[in-house]
Amino acid sequence: NAGVTQTPKFRILKIGQSMTLQCAQDMNHNYMYWYRQDPGMGLKLIYYSVGAGITDKGEVPNGYNVSRSTTEDFPLRLELAAPSQTSVYFCASRLGGSTDTQYFGPGTRLTVL
Amino acid sequence: AQKVTQAQTEISVVEKEDVTLDCVYETRDTTYYLFWYKQPPSGELVFLIRRNSFDEQNEISGRYSWNFQKSTSSFNFTITASQVVDSAVYFCALSEAGGAQKLVFGQGTRLTINP
Repeated sequence: NAGVTQTPKFRILKIGQSMTLQCAQDMNHNYMYWYRQDPGMGLKLIYYSVGAGITDKGEVPNGYNVSRSTTEDFPLRLELAAPSQTSVYFCASRLGGSTDTQYFGPGTRLTVL
Repeated sequence: AQKVTQAQTEISVVEKEDVTLDCVYETRDTTYYLFWYKQPPSGELVFLIRRNSFDEQNEISGRYSWNFQKSTSSFNFTITASQVVDSAVYFCALSEAGGAQKLVFGQGTRLTINP
């Protein structure tokens, strides 16, 4: 299993541009999450999904959109990028159950100039 | 609302010293989970431990140990005989016990182990 994969690893955007951060997992996990980590800070939840076709907002959803058309993929869309979205973005997945935990991808470092 | 506080922003010790990382949390849930993650300089997040709120037994794993005290809402992490490879940012996190188990992270403690 590849686990949780994220692409790209690095990206520089200009203000106002849009892009999609890709996240995929091959563990047949039901739950998927997007977090952002600002410099020197902990992670904050952007969006999450409890299964294909179902998504919900986290703590900091403004400026982002998600979709979950398949169990495997959970892309994060940035519309009209702003400098405040400069961050490291982590995707995570979890099977779903009382004893499991979240598995994190390697992260995408995004800079908006 | 849930909240996790790691008051120690940075800690620097000499190799082989013991070091304790503090974590204090707030939640109105009666059942919840507590976590510690390690983020080495390479940037990935490494899961270290998950603790259920109804299990207050301390846990030891090699040089790592965790002290969970519900009475003080604390979940502290101790590294014994620290090594240079322990240098990393350490995050404490909290989640609800049911549902999506969304994680709430503390701001992290940067630990530097000097040779």
